[in-house]
Amino acid sequence: QVQLVQSGAEVRKPGASVKVSCKASGYRFTGYYIHWVRQVPGQGLEWMGWIYPNTGETNYRQKFQGRVTMTRDLSDSTVYMELSGLRSDDTAIFYCARDSVQWGLMYNFEYWGQGTLVAVSS
Amino acid sequence: DIQMTQSPSSLSASVGDRVTITCRASEIIRTYLNWYQQRPGKAPKLLIYEASTLQSGVPSRFSGSGSGTDFTLTISSLQPEDFATYYCQQSYTNPRTFGPGTKVDI
Repeated sequence: QVQLVQSGAEVRKPGASVKVSCKASGYRFTGYYIHWVRQVPGQGLEWMGWIYPNTGETNYRQKFQGRVTMTRDLSDSTVYMELSGLRSDDTAIFYCARDSVQWGLMYNFEYWGQGTLVAVSS
Repeated sequence: DIQMTQSPSSLSASVGDRVTITCRASEIIRTYLNWYQQRPGKAPKLLIYEASTLQSGVPSRFSGSGSGTDFTLTISSLQPEDFATYYCQQSYTNPRTFGPGTKVDI
């Protein structure tokens, strides 16, 4: 079965960086886009961008441009999302989510990781 | 950015009730509209995509309709496991955006 397993919670100081991992299993890793979605606790959902593991191509939401980097490790079927220049308002749960169609980009978030809480505090 | 609004922001209902949630887009998005359910402490779950197509494994009491800018999610007979927050999301253009959510509680 399809599974996305994320790394554990992190605490960072303002200005630091954090790198969250998302390990995929149960399907062809290179065939599906992986998206990252942010959720401030108690608030709504915000799409951050995607990575296509087949090529490493990425697309980031403009507000995160320059601060976010998404990468992948084909040997381990894992994608990573690194966010730099952390601020207190970056405190959120970060989810990875797999798109719904093989070889296609539909922005239908069919499978989700369990979420990773990143807390930013001095 | 396309702004998504939902109404109501919250509602109280009973088991067996018919529940309707509305989502409106600030621009025409054709039928590129998805619905998600999120239970407390859990990741969102895709319920409906492209406005009206039921995701595999989702109970048939869930249905979606609409096109253009106005969409609805209907739960025909609310079950205990349906108490959750529901989000719409436009998949039409970047940046893809979500509605603020509708919390359904007892």
